[in-house]
Amino acid sequence: DVKVTQSSRYLVKRTGEKVFLECVQDMDHENMFWYRQDPGLGLRLIYFSYDVKMKEKGDIPEGYSVSREKKERFSLILESASTNQTSMYLCASSLIGTFNEQYFGPGTRLTVT
Amino acid sequence: AQSVTQPDIHITVSEGASLELRCNYSYGATPYLFWYVQSPGQGLQLLLKYFSGDTLVQGIKGFEAEFKRSQSSFNLRKPSVHWSDAAEYFCAVGRMDSSYKLIFGSGTRLLVRP
Repeated sequence: DVKVTQSSRYLVKRTGEKVFLECVQDMDHENMFWYRQDPGLGLRLIYFSYDVKMKEKGDIPEGYSVSREKKERFSLILESASTNQTSMYLCASSLIGTFNEQYFGPGTRLTVT
Repeated sequence: AQSVTQPDIHITVSEGASLELRCNYSYGATPYLFWYVQSPGQGLQLLLKYFSGDTLVQGIKGFEAEFKRSQSSFNLRKPSVHWSDAAEYFCAVGRMDSSYKLIFGSGTRLLVRP
């Protein structure tokens, strides 16, 4: 059974803190994604990685960075958390190829106070 | 710019009734179209996809969708809804400048009455 896991289901952080969200997939997928999910806005792509150490900005990269040191692990970093980054964060992975199915983790609900 | 519209924020149906969730997209060529479902507390799961060919696509869990180019629509249907179908449903289209990036609609939350 395919699996994408995220390090935390719920996280509460203070404004200005550095926040790390971790995602691990066990399917040997090349592609990994970080999305942000907000009510009424659907999912918006923050960053994408197609290989180790390779990354591309998505539609809303401001205030975020990513790291992919190993194929199975993709980290999202909030350098200095702000209240407008309170959201649900979803990680996904897929095989390389045209619009292959994306497999999603359960999400991390981040609250920044 | 490409976009996906799901005009219904919430839909409530009775268990056993039929279901249709609407999705409209803006795109100049033949799009790559997807429906994903998010059950409570879960990540998204792919229900079905359309790339080309037969415009009626069968998916998992008894769902189907029909691509209608003339209406720029890709509506999701199920003939008989089960209580376990209560979830949020997302329509998505593949971006024409990418082979992996999706544009998601805002979602439709399905409630099922017993």
